[in-house]
Amino acid sequence: TQLLEQSPQFLSIQEGENLTVYCNSSSVFSSLQWYRQEPGEGPVLLVTVVTGGEVKKLKRLTFQFGDARKDSSLHITAAQPGDTGLYLCAGAYSGGSNYKLTFGKGTLLTVNP
Amino acid sequence: KAGVTQTPRYLIKTRGQQVTLSCSPISGHRSVSWYQQTPGQGLQFLFEYFSETQRNKGNFPGRFSGRQFSNSRSEMNVSTLELGDSALYLCASNAGGTVNSPLHFGNGTRLTVT
Repeated sequence: TQLLEQSPQFLSIQEGENLTVYCNSSSVFSSLQWYRQEPGEGPVLLVTVVTGGEVKKLKRLTFQFGDARKDSSLHITAAQPGDTGLYLCAGAYSGGSNYKLTFGKGTLLTVNP
Repeated sequence: KAGVTQTPRYLIKTRGQQVTLSCSPISGHRSVSWYQQTPGQGLQFLFEYFSETQRNKGNFPGRFSGRQFSNSRSEMNVSTLELGDSALYLCASNAGGTVNSPLHFGNGTRLTVT
């Protein structure tokens, strides 16, 4: 069974602080996606990374894919209360099925005003 | 374009009963996946359908089954419900048919088994 580890599991910070969330696996991903889920809703895609070493920016969010394609990070600059939610990474494993994603358990982020 | 629609939003069932959940994908999307979300296990893959064919199945017992209709709408069925089946069941549709295309999730069906 391939596992995707996310850390930290919980994060509570003040508005304006920076934070980083990590996603790690012992296996290689062919692609990795980050989603955000708000209470009562389904996850919404933030970004997909495919190439080792790739960095993508989405406003105050910076996503990085490890060179070996086994890990990824999400960095949020100057967090705002609207960033509150469950952040999920999801990977498609190299050599695995093209039809399923393996999800991490998520990082629950609370940004206090 | 309407998003992914899941019905019902909430269900309360008793142990031993069975339940059917419904998912209408985004128009034009032929791939539909189902996931179970619990606080302890996170999102776990149940199965994926494309053009009425199940292409992949997760590690769930045979009590969990699904199907897809010719209009791409999908249903999942859980028979002989157990307390541990209480969870948020999420359906997602996909335009490209593989995980290289993003998943579009519905808001889920919250199932409570008592």
